[in-house]
Parts: sequence; C-alpha cells; structure tokens
Amino acid sequence: DAKTTQPPSMDCAEGRAANLPCNHSTISGNEYVYWYRQIHSQGPQYIIHGLKNNETNEMASLIITEDRKSSTLILPHATLRDTAVYYCIVSRSAGGTSYGKLTFGQGTILTVHP
Amino acid sequence: NAGVMQNPRHLVRRRGQEARLRCSPMKGHSHVYWYRQLPEEGLKFMVYLQKENIIDESGMPKERFSAEFPKEGPSILRIQQVVRGDSAAYFCASSRGPTVTHQPQHFGDGTRLSIL
Repeated sequence: DAKTTQPPSMDCAEGRAANLPCNHSTISGNEYVYWYRQIHSQGPQYIIHGLKNNETNEMASLIITEDRKSSTLILPHATLRDTAVYYCIVSRSAGGTSYGKLTFGQGTILTVHP
Repeated sequence: NAGVMQNPRHLVRRRGQEARLRCSPMKGHSHVYWYRQLPEEGLKFMVYLQKENIIDESGMPKERFSAEFPKEGPSILRIQQVVRGDSAAYFCASSRGPTVTHQPQHFGDGTRLSIL
C-alpha cells in the first residue's frame, strides 16, 4: 500500500488558485491517486482521481508527474467554502481482501482567507 | 440523486446499551464501507460489505462490533455494550464497484455517537 506525504497546512487567498502537493514515491503501476476533502463536521467528499494522465472536472484539476511519484491538486479559484482538510490517497492494487479500503492519512488543512 | 443517507445523525447511548447505525447507499451502489473517526483523529476503515457478504472486516474490533448489508434494506453497523471509547463519528460510504475497479467511494455525513 503506497504511502502518501502531504504538508500539514496551507493558506490561500480567496479567488486565487490553491495548489496542494502530495508525494507518493512508492506508488505501483496499477495504483490510482484519489483526492478527497472533509469540511468540518461533514463526511469526506470525493474530488477527483487519476492514474497517470492529468485529469480535470468541475471541482478541480489533478496533475500527476511523469514518474508518478507526486501529484498536485489544483483548485483554480478558491473560495471560503473550500476551507477543509484535503486527503491524497493511493488506492490499493488489485488482489487481496483489503482492496476496498481507503487509507486516510492526516491530510492538508487548507485555509482560504478573504 | 440522493446521496448516501445515514441515520440517525446523532445518537446518544449509556454505557452498556446497544447502538445501531444505518446506512442507505446511493442508488445503483451495491458496495458499502464503514469508517470511524475518533475525536481529533483521522478516518479509519472498519469494514467493507457487498450485498449479503462481508468482503473485508480487517478494521473491525474483534468484539462487540458487527455489520450487515442485507439483500433488502440499509446496511447496519451494530455496537453492543457500548463503552466511552466508542464515542466517535461513524461514516458510511458506497460505490458501484470496489475501489480496485476505481469506482470512487461516496460518503454520507456520518452518525455522531456519544456515550454517556
């Protein structure tokens, strides 16, 4: 199970892009990178996931380096409501009995300032 | 489309009582996952179920905790003889397929369990 490393906290000004980094240097070839966020007192919210190509949806963009050892989640125009804990998770590869499990680390606390 | 529904949102029990937490997955989802978040800690996986089957219960405490996902009705997480240490937020997630097929899990807003 690949381990991820994220900075404990980051700040961002409202309206600016928020770039959240994640290191996953031990990721294996068939493991995906998932991003979730948890706003205070709510359940985790799925944001985006990817394998090796960059991905974009209505919430964010995911940039994965060519060697796949790190990635960056980009919120293009952060708002106050984007203040949350952001989790970068590498999915388990196929096989074994634990393939349904998501392993949450400590995440990055993103604070968006007015 | 309704998301993952959990009830109750808040549950208070006295030590020694039973707690039953319910989770209705999103429409079309047949895979359910339970996670626990202790105060000031991260989410920890407990159990993964598919209809009528437990697929992975590696995160479940060995005693007092059980989970089911019957053919009809919601998934139930049951905690018998609750103790103060069971106080936590319990989150349920669902997906169309297991994570290995890269179907994302979608979470409910949790049940906050408080033990008096």
